[in-house]
Amino acid sequence: RKEVEQDPGPFNVPEGATVAFNCTYSNSASQSFFWYRQDCRKEPKLLMSVYSSGNEDGRFTAQLNRASQYISLLIRDSKLSDSATYLCVVNIGDSSYKLIFGSGTRLLVRP
Amino acid sequence: GAGVSQSPSNKVTEKGKDVELRCDPISGHTALYWYRQSLGQGLEFLIYFQGNSAPDKSGLPSDRFSAERTGGSVSTLTIQRTQQEDSAVYLCASSLTVRETQYFGPGTRLLVL
Repeated sequence: RKEVEQDPGPFNVPEGATVAFNCTYSNSASQSFFWYRQDCRKEPKLLMSVYSSGNEDGRFTAQLNRASQYISLLIRDSKLSDSATYLCVVNIGDSSYKLIFGSGTRLLVRP
Repeated sequence: GAGVSQSPSNKVTEKGKDVELRCDPISGHTALYWYRQSLGQGLEFLIYFQGNSAPDKSGLPSDRFSAERTGGSVSTLTIQRTQQEDSAVYLCASSLTVRETQYFGPGTRLLVL
């Protein structure tokens, strides 16, 4: 089993739609969680951290379910510019520097 | 300010040749990381440097891979006797300290023929 698993997609949605991605992780000792965004042939960039209480940043909402070991990302009112691959990332241990990346979920937002 | 830079941006080499990839981290960042991303795959951790501490090389896939960081700044990743399976994008990241956000460079696309 992969340490971080994501549905590769692609998710093909119209502009304005709401779309949700889930990610599961295998290590119950995981401490920190993130969503990164990666555009085609570009480097990953931090989209948002995921906190236990859940957090929201504009149209983006992230949730963490430790009991079930999954993380979600909800995008409301999708824009064309949201088209990208979304990487679920987990950091194991409070002092660990190793980020474990999922393979990513591809999102295509069409006009 | 300037972000993480990497060179070359693209490298094509023949099987068996050695290659050197360079990373310039963000000024003042003490932590530096190398990752590898194969086509359609997630990023794979390779090596980590923090200040003057011994690097964590646990992610290096074989002894053909080595990396160094000189003066706590620039880092080079060396792949000796390259193989076709080494073809990937090699990404470098840096962070202010170990727990801070990692900022990635644009990567070096390596193709081994």
